This record gives sequence, structure tokens and C-alpha cells, in this order.
Amino acid sequence: AQKVTQAQTEISVVEKEDVTLDCVYETRDTTYYLFWYKQPPSGELVFLIRRNSFDEQNEISGRYSWNFQKSTSSFNFTITASQVVDSAVYFCALSEGYAGNMLTFGGGTRLMVKP
Amino acid sequence: DTAVSQTPKYLVTQMGNDKSIKCEQNLGHDTMYWYKQDSKKFLKIMFSYNNKELIINETVPNRFSPKSPDKAHLNLHINSLELGDSAVYFCASSQDRAYEQYFGPGTRLTVT
Repeated sequence: AQKVTQAQTEISVVEKEDVTLDCVYETRDTTYYLFWYKQPPSGELVFLIRRNSFDEQNEISGRYSWNFQKSTSSFNFTITASQVVDSAVYFCALSEGYAGNMLTFGGGTRLMVKP
Repeated sequence: DTAVSQTPKYLVTQMGNDKSIKCEQNLGHDTMYWYKQDSKKFLKIMFSYNNKELIINETVPNRFSPKSPDKAHLNLHINSLELGDSAVYFCASSQDRAYEQYFGPGTRLTVT
């Protein structure tokens, strides 16, 4: 069975600090997909990134970067120079190739960025 | 234009009632989903559906049923509502199982 663990339930940083959100996953499938979503205080779920199991390249998008390591089953998310607007709950998620793309979410990490 | 929309945004009802939540997507996606987010923010898949296949999370009570009049709509019908059904329900859609899912704004259901 698939499982996603986000060990950090809450993180608090001061604006301009860098912060890394951890995500560890478990799957027996060789084909799977990993995602990060952001849920700001307004409540909507915003897609951030998708990675498939065959692509271990790290990705950078502005202040956001992602580190995918199959050897440790981790897909970590780093925000550089955090801003107050980054305050949100961040979810890591996994879908397996055969499971109809149903996402299994981690428990989420609440990030609070203080001015 | 709203990509995935849900109605209503808020729903307050009494135990034992039957209610529906509507979902529409204008992205031309083939697959739609329903998720439940509880008070601790934990998100759980309920259903995955396209025009060929319905996959049900085995933990979902059979009081919950998805109904799809066409590819762009997937409504959630709930019978005999219970207090524990209080949650935020999200609809989502994706182009294909390998692609990201886009979520609706959520429906906050409160059962009293």
C-alpha cells in the first residue's frame, strides 16, 4: 500500500529565511507520480509540481526547488528567501500507476512565515 | 473562467438528511475525483471516475455515491448524513492518470 509521510507538522520561520519541507513516501510500484500542493488560508488546493518516478532531476521554479531522491524515497521541497505569502499548508502526494491516479496525501506541513 | 467549480460552497444540514454536492470542470479532462478533508486537514481520496471506470476507496461508506451525468460533471450524493460526515469535500479533475489534478474550491459540509 502507498503511504506519504510529512514528519514536520508545523514550521515557523522569519521572512527571508530558507525552509525545507520533507516528504517521504512508500510504494511497491515501479511507476508512480509525486506531487506538491499548497493550501493557503483561503482553503483552495493549488498544484505546484509533478514528478514521475523515472525523472530524478531536481527542479527549480523561482524561489521554489524540489529534490527527488529515489534512494531515500524522498521528495523534499525548499523555499528560498521565504515570504509572508508563502504561509500555507503544504501537501506532498503520491499516485501509483495502477490505482486510477487516486492521490494519497501526506498529513501536510503548516508553514508560518513571520515578517 | 473557473476550471473546476463546486456548488454549494457551504452546506449545513441535519443528521439523517440526504444531500448532493455538484462539481463541474471545463478543462476537457477525462477523469474526476472526490476527496474529503477532515478537521485536522487530512485529505483522503473517496472516488476516482472516468467514463469507463469507477474506483472506490474501500473505506468510503456506501452512503456516499458519485453520479456523473456527463464527462464534465461528477456529483457527490450522500444519504443519511451523520455527524462524522462534517468536512470539506473537494472535487478534482485530471487529463490522465499521469497528470496533475486540479481542485475545485471545496464545499464545507456541516452536519448538526
